[in-house]
Amino acid sequence: EVQLVESGGGLVQPGGSLRLSCSASGFTFSRYAMHWVRQAPGKGLEYVSGISSNGGRTYYADSVKGRFTISRDNSKNTLYLQMSSLRAEDTAVYYCIKGSNWNNYYYMDVWGKGTTVTVSS
Amino acid sequence: QSVLTQPPSASGTPGQRVTISCSGSSSNIGSNTVNWYQQLPGTAPKLLIYSNNQRPSGVPDRFSGSKSGTSASLAISGLQSEDEADYYCAAWDDSLNGRWVFGGGTKLTVL
Repeated sequence: EVQLVESGGGLVQPGGSLRLSCSASGFTFSRYAMHWVRQAPGKGLEYVSGISSNGGRTYYADSVKGRFTISRDNSKNTLYLQMSSLRAEDTAVYYCIKGSNWNNYYYMDVWGKGTTVTVSS
Repeated sequence: QSVLTQPPSASGTPGQRVTISCSGSSSNIGSNTVNWYQQLPGTAPKLLIYSNNQRPSGVPDRFSGSKSGTSASLAISGLQSEDEADYYCAAWDDSLNGRWVFGGGTKLTVL
């Protein structure tokens, strides 16, 4: 069974940094693109970032470009999202999602349960 | 403001057929396939339809998807109370070096 478990969320002050992790199991992690999608309280889904299976291609939403960095460690079956210069509007549940193929433009299939990031002083 | 446009709400009575629309443009729905996600209250989204009209294993055939031009639709037949959820459409957008875009979501209420 495919499982994605996010961790690293919490309360952080504006301007601060946080690193999210997503531990994957139940599939060959190195063969699939991975993504982060977030959902602000009471709002819809917003694509944050994606990375191809070998890490060679990355994509970012304009709202996080230059502040967030996505990466992966295929030897540890783990996806990361390094977030810096955090703003109040980054407050959201962050979901880790498995892609259905090696490249980012194939559909996203399995979602983790999410980790909550709150940016507040 | 979401790139894909969905109605904010929809409703139906048990047994009815309900459709939810999703409108985009030539750079997303017009040139790529559409996927639909279901988010039950308090849970993470789940893939419901992929590649316009394909159902993952375990998704009842009451759910179906279609696409025409720059629009797509999700249809739910034989509506059940457990279908009450938020539904999101998504498509790859070829602009700006490529990115995934979502609809704003449609809250389905079963009356």
